[in-house]
Amino acid sequence: GEDVEQSLFLSVREGDSSVINCTYTDSSSTYLYWYKQEPGAGLQLLTYIFSNMDMKQDQRLTVLLNKKDKHLSLRIADTQTGDSAIYFCAETPYGGSQGNLIFGKGTKLSVKP
Amino acid sequence: SQTIHQWPATLVQPVGSPLSLECTVEGTSNPNLYWYRQAAGRGLQLLFYSVGIGQISSEVPQNLSASRPQDRQFILSSKKLLLSDSGFYLCAWSDSKLRMDEKLFFGSGTQLSVL
Repeated sequence: GEDVEQSLFLSVREGDSSVINCTYTDSSSTYLYWYKQEPGAGLQLLTYIFSNMDMKQDQRLTVLLNKKDKHLSLRIADTQTGDSAIYFCAETPYGGSQGNLIFGKGTKLSVKP
Repeated sequence: SQTIHQWPATLVQPVGSPLSLECTVEGTSNPNLYWYRQAAGRGLQLLFYSVGIGQISSEVPQNLSASRPQDRQFILSSKKLLLSDSGFYLCAWSDSKLRMDEKLFFGSGTQLSVL
């Protein structure tokens, strides 16, 4: 079945770049998403990429998609303490049932001053 | 603009007591509605989704139920809570027209502790 894998933790220093990685199994995925969850809050859609693209940039965020390796990454440039949160990767499998958004377990990003 | 409201933010309930969590969406019509549970170390688990009034699909067998009495209202319930029902519950909505693009918009969550 479909699966989305992420490393659980990432620690960086303020001002450095952060790269959060994600792998998925369903090669027919249409859209892939990055969500951010701050402590005690709901998930916020950060950015997304359609599967026919290999890169998308949005201010400090860069999403890279390698369809051959089924690898998705989120790069945060000039990481700030406010970026500390859990980041979830998610995919919409092609032909999946309604509501079938597959989430990874989330990567907890800690930013040290 | 669309907004989603979820309440209460925190809830402490004894084992065996009933549960009712409510979620409402404003600024859109006929949304898809979802209930997720986030348990520590287990990521997000889809519990229920609804594509319309009275239409509920359950993803996992459990002690919980969901109802959609109105187009933009989604309720999560239990008759008797178990310890294992503790977790962070998230309501979400998506635009039902975007079948292939399931961008979800989440509420702020309810932290449920069953003691």
